[in-house]
Amino acid sequence: GQQLNQSPQSMFIQEGEDVSMNCTSSSIFNTWLWYKQDPGEGPVLLIALYKAGELTSNGRLTAQFGITRKDSFLNISASIPSDVGIYFCAGLPWGTYKYIFGTGTRLKVLA
Amino acid sequence: DTGVSQDPRHKITKRGQNVTFRCDPISEHNRLYWYRQTLGQGPEFLTYFQNEAQLEKSRLLSDRFSAERPKGSFSTLEIQRTEQGDSAMYLCASSLVMENTEAFFGQGTRLTVV
Repeated sequence: GQQLNQSPQSMFIQEGEDVSMNCTSSSIFNTWLWYKQDPGEGPVLLIALYKAGELTSNGRLTAQFGITRKDSFLNISASIPSDVGIYFCAGLPWGTYKYIFGTGTRLKVLA
Repeated sequence: DTGVSQDPRHKITKRGQNVTFRCDPISEHNRLYWYRQTLGQGPEFLTYFQNEAQLEKSRLLSDRFSAERPKGSFSTLEIQRTEQGDSAMYLCASSLVMENTEAFFGQGTRLTVV
């Protein structure tokens, strides 16, 4: 099935560092969502974005809806060990109600 | 707890057996989704319902798969004559019927076909 391009695929960072990841699509999306998934669990919604250019924060997390409507970015500031997990972007293509997911960014935080 | 609930959390079955999973969405949510996730991949869309109507099905949903949402509340996903390739995490999500809306996921059902 169709999946969004998400990068990086994985990253190791030191505790306290900032993290950036992004998600791109070849088509226009009208909603972008960011989720975190721990092993054996379902994805947990972190941030939702609905307008091009929108910048939304949730604690140490900040996400942006790209101006072209074809990409989105997630930043995590001052990472902590519990930030470890897999982060997925998901988008809602224009005119559909079927969420398409990215390939995931695996984050590991070194204490 | 008013989140999305899935049952069972884990299922081990022998190849060729039938299995059925249940999903209870957030109570006021009209849309209900089923996704499949294999190891190392993002969730892949299988099907979704708006109330009791099944509005879209992925070509991943072979003839052995059937989903129902008879009264527009809970949903079931049945897999007949399971194959080893069906081993995956089956995720259910629900959302409101709105212009801008987010989907909330359950904890998933991990299926292992042996």
